[in-house]
Amino acid sequence: SAVISQKPSRDICQRGTSLTIQCQVDSQVTMMFWYRQQPGQSLTLIATANQGSEATYESGFVIDKFPISRPNLTFSTLTVSNMSPEDSSIYLCSVDGNTEAFFGQGTRLTVV
Amino acid sequence: GEDVEQSLFLSVREGDSSVINCTYTDSSSTYLYWYKQEPGAGLQLLTYIFSNMDMKQDQRLTVLLNKKDKHLSLRIADTQTGDSAIYFCAEGTGRRALTFGSGTRLQVQP
Repeated sequence: SAVISQKPSRDICQRGTSLTIQCQVDSQVTMMFWYRQQPGQSLTLIATANQGSEATYESGFVIDKFPISRPNLTFSTLTVSNMSPEDSSIYLCSVDGNTEAFFGQGTRLTVV
Repeated sequence: GEDVEQSLFLSVREGDSSVINCTYTDSSSTYLYWYKQEPGAGLQLLTYIFSNMDMKQDQRLTVLLNKKDKHLSLRIADTQTGDSAIYFCAEGTGRRALTFGSGTRLQVQP
């Protein structure tokens, strides 16, 4: 199993600013995933973060808006840049175990 | 691409059984999952099933998988008010991110 520590757990931010979310895993993992859950919606994959290479972004998400770092096999960050109220969501990081996916508790972001 | 669909809402009376249904499109799915999300909380993995199984039981939870029809269901026996939450079906292959359904909001009436 994997234990994921994600922080901050929540934040209220001013529009136009940026927030960096951190995800720490207690074991080495090859792939880490970042999801967004907009209010009342399901989870949508933002990008896949691999150590040593650029993140792979899903359609509708771009690196300039959601830059991702993956400096080692246990850590990743997601930055939400130049925020607007539409970015208010829960952001979750996840890692894939052999038989199940593990999720952080999420970061609840409110942009005002 | 992969697609997972669920009905949006289910209401049951306390003590009854709840059945939440899910369909998926990716025939290469290896694992199928049920997650629970309570208001303001993160995702809790309830159970999962391998694609080569057709049933899995875990206490009050029974998962049925019809691989031919790509249909997955979650049955909760003796549903309690504490079971009120959103239930997400998800599928994966172990080599990529999961694809989630839209979630089914379960409301349990006393």
